[in-house]
Amino acid sequence: LAKTTQPISMDSYEGQEVNITCSHNNIATNDYITWYQQFPSQGPRFIIQGYKTKVTNEVASLFIPADRKSSTLSLPRVSLSDTAVYYCLVEGAGNNRKLIWGLGTSLAVNP
Amino acid sequence: DGGITQSPKYLFRKEGQNVTLSCEQNLNHDAMYWYRQDPGQGLRLIYYSQIVNDFQKGDIAEGYSVSREKKESFPLTVTSAQKNPTAFYLCASSRDRDSYGYTFGSGTRLTVV
Repeated sequence: LAKTTQPISMDSYEGQEVNITCSHNNIATNDYITWYQQFPSQGPRFIIQGYKTKVTNEVASLFIPADRKSSTLSLPRVSLSDTAVYYCLVEGAGNNRKLIWGLGTSLAVNP
Repeated sequence: DGGITQSPKYLFRKEGQNVTLSCEQNLNHDAMYWYRQDPGQGLRLIYYSQIVNDFQKGDIAEGYSVSREKKESFPLTVTSAQKNPTAFYLCASSRDRDSYGYTFGSGTRLTVV
């Protein structure tokens, strides 16, 4: 059974780099990896998406090794406002939509 | 601004009553989804629709029903058959069945007493 596994919680301090790793051993050839951020009582917000190697945007980087069995979301220099739950999603497109969500990593950024 | 509107934000119902949650999008997206979120359980897919007049069950469809008569709208009915309906419900959309990445609404918190 395909599964996406991520740590339940992490702690950090303002200004530090935070790396959250997701394990997805059964990822298929056409699957993409997407990360979302969610604040309490709000819908998740798209952060970054990738297929392989490294992707970077204005808020985060996503590292995916060659075997694609894991991925690491990197948040540079976190601030208090980055305190949230971060979800890893492995998704495949097509008629039978494949959506395998992790249970989320609760990140607490301390002053 | 384009987006997804879920209403109401908070909803209270008595046990045994059906209740319908609204989801409207103006993104011109073909695909729409309903998720349920409970503490510590992440997001679980209830139903999804990849095109108008068609929808498919997700992982936890029992006790729920949907319709997709218009591209913009994907209402979810929580029926009295749903054993534990109290939860946070999220609606999402994507451009089409082959696109990756979602836009989410802000959610409806349903409490059944």
